[in-house]
Amino acid sequence: GAGVSQSPRYKVAKRGQDVALRCDPISGHVSLFWYQQALGQGPEFLTYFQNEAQLDKSGLPSDRFFAERPEGSVSTLKIQRTQQEDSAVYLCASSLDPGDSPLHFGNGTRLTVT
Amino acid sequence: QKEVEQNSGPLSVPEGAIASLNCTYSDRGSQSFFWYRQYSGKSPELIMSIYSNGDKEDGRFTAQLNKASQYVSLLIRDSQPSDSATYLCAVYSGYSTLTFGKGTMLLVSP
Repeated sequence: GAGVSQSPRYKVAKRGQDVALRCDPISGHVSLFWYQQALGQGPEFLTYFQNEAQLDKSGLPSDRFFAERPEGSVSTLKIQRTQQEDSAVYLCASSLDPGDSPLHFGNGTRLTVT
Repeated sequence: QKEVEQNSGPLSVPEGAIASLNCTYSDRGSQSFFWYRQYSGKSPELIMSIYSNGDKEDGRFTAQLNKASQYVSLLIRDSQPSDSATYLCAVYSGYSTLTFGKGTMLLVSP
């Protein structure tokens, strides 16, 4: 597609539910990133994929967070047993090459945990 | 921990003035630097990238980089109300991780 596509745009979950957020990057982009953005804050790094390999997951806040990109294109961020502090916008971004290419962001998924 | 620091603002400037946005970073090895603009409720969009010391101009925008001082800035000339947004500084730290500052809110008054 022309840009990074994320779904759903909005997700409301009850505390304790599991959620799955999808990201479809720009075709041919090697690198894929997930960020979490709380209100009034900058994006916080969660995890990074180069093709299907998850090279950095140091930003995942707990073992309830899991990300995958099994075929090197679409990625899913899964959050198990959601908590209120998980409420945020989850941004996916892709880039052509790792290390120095700018990131192109999707529109994000706004997660609200009630 | 690699850090990117920005004043949160808001920075208020009148229409037509020059807006100056500043950013410092902690990782001396950083090589790639970006400025993103984020409107409220929208995702970040790339404005400028800069990789070498000095100035880089693109239309009304100029990015300035000083690696010795670990400082990068963005100047917006002839500021317009439509420039009102949050400006995010981002730095590649290490091989893959793009670290963002918290952003500076810019308000341009007509």
